[in-house]
Amino acid sequence: EAQVTQNPRYLITVTGKKLTVTCSQNMNHEYMSWYRQDPGLGLRQIYYSMNVEVTDKGDVPEGYKVSRKEKRNFPLILESPSPNQTSLYFCASSLTSPSMNTEAFFGQGTRLTVV
Amino acid sequence: AQKITQTQPGMFVQEKEAVTLDCTYDTSDQSYGLFWYKQPSSGEMIFLIYQGSYDEQNATEGRYSLNFQKARKSANLVISASQLGDSAMYFCAMREGQTGGFKTIFGAGTRLFVKA
Repeated sequence: EAQVTQNPRYLITVTGKKLTVTCSQNMNHEYMSWYRQDPGLGLRQIYYSMNVEVTDKGDVPEGYKVSRKEKRNFPLILESPSPNQTSLYFCASSLTSPSMNTEAFFGQGTRLTVV
Repeated sequence: AQKITQTQPGMFVQEKEAVTLDCTYDTSDQSYGLFWYKQPSSGEMIFLIYQGSYDEQNATEGRYSLNFQKARKSANLVISASQLGDSAMYFCAMREGQTGGFKTIFGAGTRLFVKA
């Protein structure tokens, strides 16, 4: 079954404690992406990757890091979380080219609370 | 800069009627893709329909169709014969090509309420 798996689903942490949210896909997709969803703002792209070792900033990259050492995995790292990073996070994967039907498969979401 | 605008924060529709959700976009890229996603109250993101910038025909997927007007830069979603299960948040999104760095942007969403 084609899927994107992100973990954990829920996380409460304290300010400044480093955390990693994992994301893995089994569809051999080149393009992977992280989004955060906040009320009234829709989804905003944090970082994306078009292939192994190729990552780029989205619209809201501050305070986040990513890596793409393997095609299937794209972890999101918060080195020093702050309360304004409390949000719902989604990982997604798809083909890269927008000239094809690049349906994005989304993970189930990670609800992060930073206190 | 690329932008997606959904001007309807909320919409009501009677069950079995059709509804149109508006989406306008702005890009200087010639190659781009437009998407609609549904997010029910359970939170998952469900892909509905895709339209490529070079596609001449409007995309259709079952009860969903995309009214693509390239010159106006609009990509409205039409849901025919609304069902109670269509009550959800709907997001329009755009993926740009090489000129735009392959970024993806989403609109703020439209919450659809289907009345029995």
